[in-house]
Amino acid sequence: AQKITQTQPGMFVQEKEAVTLDCTYDTSDQSYGLFWYKQPSSGEMIFLIYQGSYDEQNATEGRYSLNFQKARKSANLVISASQLGDSAMYFCAMRERETSGSRLTFGEGTQLTVNP
Amino acid sequence: GAGVSQTPSNKVTEKGKYVELRCDPISGHTALYWYRQSLGQGPEFLIYFQGTGAADDSGLPNDRFFAVRPEGSVSTLKIQRTERGDSAVYLCASSLNPPGEGRGTEAFFGQGTRLTVV
Repeated sequence: AQKITQTQPGMFVQEKEAVTLDCTYDTSDQSYGLFWYKQPSSGEMIFLIYQGSYDEQNATEGRYSLNFQKARKSANLVISASQLGDSAMYFCAMRERETSGSRLTFGEGTQLTVNP
Repeated sequence: GAGVSQTPSNKVTEKGKYVELRCDPISGHTALYWYRQSLGQGPEFLIYFQGTGAADDSGLPNDRFFAVRPEGSVSTLKIQRTERGDSAVYLCASSLNPPGEGRGTEAFFGQGTRLTVV
């Protein structure tokens, strides 16, 4: 079974609108962390936001927020007020404290295109 | 520099040759990771260093791959007898704290080394 599933290979959004990128995960660990990264065409992986499994509140970082629904095992990324520079590949990732300790397991990514 | 630095940015090598990829982590970061990313996929874990020691090398695909971090900062990923299937982008990342819960454990990535084996 896939540990991280991103069901949207590609998404389009109009500039200044909000967009939600989906991520579901599969783990039996009680303690884990969820991460979102942005990868522009330049190739660098840029850290966006982190949510711990024990965090009761959804994480927010500027225009990014993480819609964490633990019972449904989903960790969707919401980008508000999209900008042209948001066009990139977005990866959801998980670190399972008990099962895999150090490694991040990534999904296959969602290619976001922001249209002017 | 402020971020993770990887050199070279591009490397083309012939099948069977030996290559070394270098990673300079963010100053003060104790944890260092190597990942490999094939075209159209997410990165896959290779190895994790805490300080000078390889705390988890379970992602290395076979014994042709080896990595060192002798002084706890710069790391080198070494690939012997390269094969065409080794072609990928090799990403290095570092974090302030060891993997775990909470802040300071997020990994910051370099721009990667694109390795092409011909």
